[in-house]
Amino acid sequence: DVKVTQSSRYLVKRTGEKVFLECVQDMDHENMFWYRQDPGLGLRLIYFSYDVKMKEKGDIPEGYSVSREKKERFSLILESASTNQTSMYLCASSWVIGPGRETQYFGPGTRLLVL
Amino acid sequence: DAKTTQPTSMDCAEGRAANLPCNHSTISGNEYVYWYRQIHSQGPQYIIHGLKNNETNEMASLIITEDRKSSTLILPHATLRDTAVYYCIVRLRMKTSYDKVIFGPGTSLSVIP
Repeated sequence: DVKVTQSSRYLVKRTGEKVFLECVQDMDHENMFWYRQDPGLGLRLIYFSYDVKMKEKGDIPEGYSVSREKKERFSLILESASTNQTSMYLCASSWVIGPGRETQYFGPGTRLLVL
Repeated sequence: DAKTTQPTSMDCAEGRAANLPCNHSTISGNEYVYWYRQIHSQGPQYIIHGLKNNETNEMASLIITEDRKSSTLILPHATLRDTAVYYCIVRLRMKTSYDKVIFGPGTSLSVIP
């Protein structure tokens, strides 16, 4: 079974703190993603990476950065946390089987509260 | 940006089949239809996907109409653990090499004892 793990299930941080969220997948997937999920807004893509050291902005990259130094690990960084970054953060990984065929596998999520 | 429409919510009696519809009238070419579900406070879970033919796995069946403009996810014997939000997804073509997956609001399925 594919396994995607996230470093924390729950996290409480203060405004202005630097926050690291880590994600690890064990299936040698090329693609990795970070989403945030908020009530009424669904899942929104923050960043994704299709290879080591490669990254592309998603829909809402402002206030976030990412790092992918190893294929299995994708980190999301909040340089200076703000209260509007309180959210559920979901990591996913996938590989592309063929055109239009890609199954994403999600981690359990990290619920971040910024005070 | 949403390319799929689903009912906001549905109820299903425990032990009965749950039929979740999805319209994707703008689907084209080789776009696959994917279904995921999200149980409260967990990450989304892959269920099934298909292109033209009906598909079945250990979790569910997927029925795709001949014109491919709609599909139905069938949970043959719903249990209380199937209570979740179900997402029907097609991919949004991008100019970059990556085709973005769009999660719409989904259908909130409540399985009732």
